[in-house]
Amino acid sequence: EAQVTQNPRYLITVTGKKLTVTCSQNMNHEYMSWYRQDPGLGLRQIYYSMNVEVTDKGDVPEGYKVSRKEKRNFPLILESPSPNQTSLYFCASSLYEGSPFAQYFGPGTRLTVT
Amino acid sequence: AQSVTQPDIHITVSEGASLELRCNYSYGATPYLFWYVQSPGQGLQLLLKYFSGDTLVQGIKGFEAEFKRSQSSFNLRKPSVHWSDAAEYFCAVPQLLNTNAGKSTFGDGTTLTVKP
Repeated sequence: EAQVTQNPRYLITVTGKKLTVTCSQNMNHEYMSWYRQDPGLGLRQIYYSMNVEVTDKGDVPEGYKVSRKEKRNFPLILESPSPNQTSLYFCASSLYEGSPFAQYFGPGTRLTVT
Repeated sequence: AQSVTQPDIHITVSEGASLELRCNYSYGATPYLFWYVQSPGQGLQLLLKYFSGDTLVQGIKGFEAEFKRSQSSFNLRKPSVHWSDAAEYFCAVPQLLNTNAGKSTFGDGTTLTVKP
């Protein structure tokens, strides 16, 4: 089954404790992206990647890191989480040729930073 | 930079009534445009997409959308709403060209409530 998986689905952590949210897709998509969703603010893009070893900042990259060492994986790293990073996070992927940016979304990761 | 505006934060319609959700965009060329739906507690699912050609596009679940370049709009429509359509709907436009290719902008979303 074609899908985007994220782990963990729920995470409660404390300020300053490094964490990684994993994202994996099995559709051989070139494009992957991370978003955060906050009430009243829609989805805001954190980082995106057009292909392996290529990453770019979205609209809200501060406090986040990403890497794209393999085509299928695009982990989101919070080196020193703060309470304002409490949010619902989505990973997404799409083709770049044929049907570009028609994104498939993961189920979301709800992060709480205390 | 591109932008997307969904003027209606919340819309309520009766089951069986028609629906139109508005989306206005700003983009310097012919855009690609998307509508996504997010059911409560779920991730987003692609409803339909516009790349080029026919300005009226059909999607899943009986939805359609019309691209109107003169109005910079891409409104989503459904002739008869079902209770299961209650969800949040997002319009989106990606940057296609130059160094920001791949940057995606989403509207703030419209929450649809369906009355029995």
